[in-house]
Order: sequence, then structure tokens, then C-alpha cells
Amino acid sequence: GENVEQHPSTLSVQEGDSAVIKCTYSDSASNYFPWYKQELGKRPQLIIDIRSNVGEKKDQRIAVTLNKTAKHFSLHITETQPEDSAVYFCAASIRGSARQLTFGSGTQLTVLP
Amino acid sequence: DAEITQSPRHKITETGRQVTLACHQTWNHNNMFWYRQDLGHGLRLIHYSYGVQDTNKGEVSDGYSVSRSNTEDLPLTLESAASSQTSVYFCASSEGGPTNEQFFGPGTRLTVL
Repeated sequence: GENVEQHPSTLSVQEGDSAVIKCTYSDSASNYFPWYKQELGKRPQLIIDIRSNVGEKKDQRIAVTLNKTAKHFSLHITETQPEDSAVYFCAASIRGSARQLTFGSGTQLTVLP
Repeated sequence: DAEITQSPRHKITETGRQVTLACHQTWNHNNMFWYRQDLGHGLRLIHYSYGVQDTNKGEVSDGYSVSRSNTEDLPLTLESAASSQTSVYFCASSEGGPTNEQFFGPGTRLTVL
């Protein structure tokens, strides 16, 4: 089955700096890669996703890049703010078939004021 | 508004007891999932269902069972609770089709003493 590894497990940045979280996946058939944000005591919520026919996607301060050859994808957050502090999970899925998501182990991002 | 709910939100039980966690969604989604969340492991898939009468085992299904008698509900049963099943449990649902976005419930914190 699919295996997703996520690094780093914890990340601290100064407010206004950028943050990068990286994930690798094992199954070359995976073609859908979402990122979820989970605030303390809350449910995970989708913040951005990318499909394998696209190399990069942006949404305001958030961007995701995908390298299919190397089987890795990354989340980039620019101009970080205290409200970006949360746990971020990457995931991978074979869209249209299994529809399951395999999640990475999560990154605790702390934005220091 | 359509939503996904879980009950109870908190549960304390004893080892060996049977426990059932409820999940109810009003989006009419075909796909429903149960995850457990433990520190350092992210979200791990327990069971999932693609429709009424359909159930499938996930990565960590031992000691758990589900049933799907209608579209809205996917209850998770711990047949004989063990201390290793102390965790936070999340239910999720998705429409399928062109997107794999999963919408998560608020979670149930289960403690097995």
C-alpha cells in the first residue's frame, strides 16, 4: 500500500518568515495530494490540494509543489502569521479508484511573534 | 446546513467492554471513513465504506468493526476495548467523483482504563 513520510515533525519560524513542509510518497499511481490543517482541539480541514497533472498550485500565502519523478510534494507558507500555528498533514490518494487517503505523521508548526 | 457529527465527544470505559462510536453525516456522501489519531502517527485508517452495505478494512482494523445500513451513518464498534485503543477517533465523509476532499467530524476522545 501507499506510504507517506512527512518532515519535519516540528517547525518553529518567526512571524513573517516562510515555512516549508515536505512529504514523500511510495506509490507511483498516487495522483491526488491534499494538505490538511488541524488547530489544537479541532478537526482537520483541507487547506489546499494538487493533482498529478499540475506541478504547482497557489492560494494566497499557501502554495504546494509536486515532483512526480522524485515522488515528493511540499507545502509552502509565506509571510507566516500566529494563526498559521497548527499541525499540518499531507496525504496521498489514487483518485478515482480507492479514494482513500494515506496521511503523513504531521508537522507541528509554531509561528513565534 | 449539512454537517458531520460524532457522539459521544468524550468517553471513558473499562477494558473488555464493548463501545460504539456514532458518526452521522447529512451531505448524502457515499464514502465514509474512520481514523484514529495518536501522537507521532498522524491519522490512521481503521475502516471505510463506499456505500450502503459496503465496508472495508483499513490499516489498523484489528479490534474494530463497522456496519453501513444507510447512507448517513457509519458506527464504529470496539468489540472488547483495550488500553491500546485509547485515542482520538475521527469520522470523515467524501462525495467521491472529481474530488477526494474528506470532511471530518469533530472527533471523539476515548479513554480505556
